[in-house]
Parts: sequence; structure tokens; C-alpha cells
Amino acid sequence: GQQVMQIPQYQHVQEGEDFTTYCNSSTTLSNIQWYKQRPGGHPVFLIQLVKSGEVKKQKRLTFQFGEAKKNSSLHITATQTTDVGTYFCWVGYKLSFGAGTTVTVRA
Amino acid sequence: GAVVSQHPSWVICKSGTSVKIECRSLDFQATTMFWYRQFPKQSLMLMATSNEGSKATYEQGVEKDKFLINHASLTLSTLTVTSAHPEDSSFYICSARAEGLAGGASKYNEQFFGPGTRLTVL
Repeated sequence: GQQVMQIPQYQHVQEGEDFTTYCNSSTTLSNIQWYKQRPGGHPVFLIQLVKSGEVKKQKRLTFQFGEAKKNSSLHITATQTTDVGTYFCWVGYKLSFGAGTTVTVRA
Repeated sequence: GAVVSQHPSWVICKSGTSVKIECRSLDFQATTMFWYRQFPKQSLMLMATSNEGSKATYEQGVEKDKFLINHASLTLSTLTVTSAHPEDSSFYICSARAEGLAGGASKYNEQFFGPGTRLTVL
């Protein structure tokens, strides 16, 4: 069946640094969505990618969909304390979320 | 817009009792609602997909007789944990999606999540 892996599971970042989290699928995807869950909160939709090679930006967040539509990445520049949380990718209609990347920031 | 509420936000019950959790879309009609459970520091695991007016579709390994789902209207889905046991203690989150609606809440068919229900079974 369709599987999605998300790496890394944990990311501890110095404030001001950049980092990237990846979502990899074993099969070609029709689209992929990214969500963010703050500690103690619920997931909130960030973005959807549909086209091969698509790149979308939201301020310091850059989302990319791979050419083969099997992987996606989220890159955050100049990390801030407000970026703390867990970032999940979601693929497919019946598949659960990826394992998520939990981000902590040291000032 | 696109607000989903969940009630109760937390519940403590004795082993063997049943607990009902409500999920409501407050300002849009949800053609599809999803029920997830999340253990500490883990991802959300999809339990079932609920469509208004039809039977829920359960994921493999989820007991449909234990986790009863009812989606009676386009704004309400309920999850009943029957004969709850301590291993059922978890964070249950619902989400709602509005599909195929012109100018609807879900522009990208994204899910709008409720705040979750923390269930503790003693």
C-alpha cells in the first residue's frame, strides 16, 4: 500500500538558522498537503501542492513538490520561536499523516 | 470561517463505560468528516472516514463495533467509544472537509480540525 515517510522526526534548531523537513512517498501522488500542529493544539492547514516541481512560498516557508511527485519538502529560513511545533505532510484520501517533524528552537 | 468544534474537550471515565464525542462544523457543511487518534508525541492515525447519511469507513485494525460513528447531518458527526478500557485513553481529533462546493470552505479540499478530546479511562 501507499506509504509515506517523513524525516527527520525531530529537528532542534538554533534561532535564525534554516532547516528542511522531507516527506517521501513510495508511490506517485496526486497532491500533498502540509499541516502544522503547535504543542497542545490541533493541526492547521498550511498549503497544498499539486503540480510536478511546484514551489510555493509563505513568508519564510518554502514548499516544494518533486518532479516525480513522490516527495515534498518544507524549508524554513531564519527560524523563529513561533515556528515551534510539528509539521505533518498528508497524502491521499485514506492515508494517515506522515510521522511529522517536531521542531524545537533554542534562542 | 471554517471552524470545527469538538465536545467535550476532555473526559475521564471508568473502565467499561461508553463515551460520546461530538464534532461539529460551525459555519460550513461538511460532506466528509474524519476521526483520528493521537498518542503523545506521535502522528495522527486515521480511524475512520464519515460521510453524511452513510456508514463510516473504518481503517484496518479499527473495531467498528467499539468505535461507533454516526454522521447524522452535514454539520455533526459523533464518535462513541463503547466499553472503554485504559488502552483507549488517547487524544481523539476530528476534522471536516467540504468537497465540491462552489466557493466552499475547503478551497483545497483541506481538512479543518477540531480542538480534540482528551479521553482518560481509569
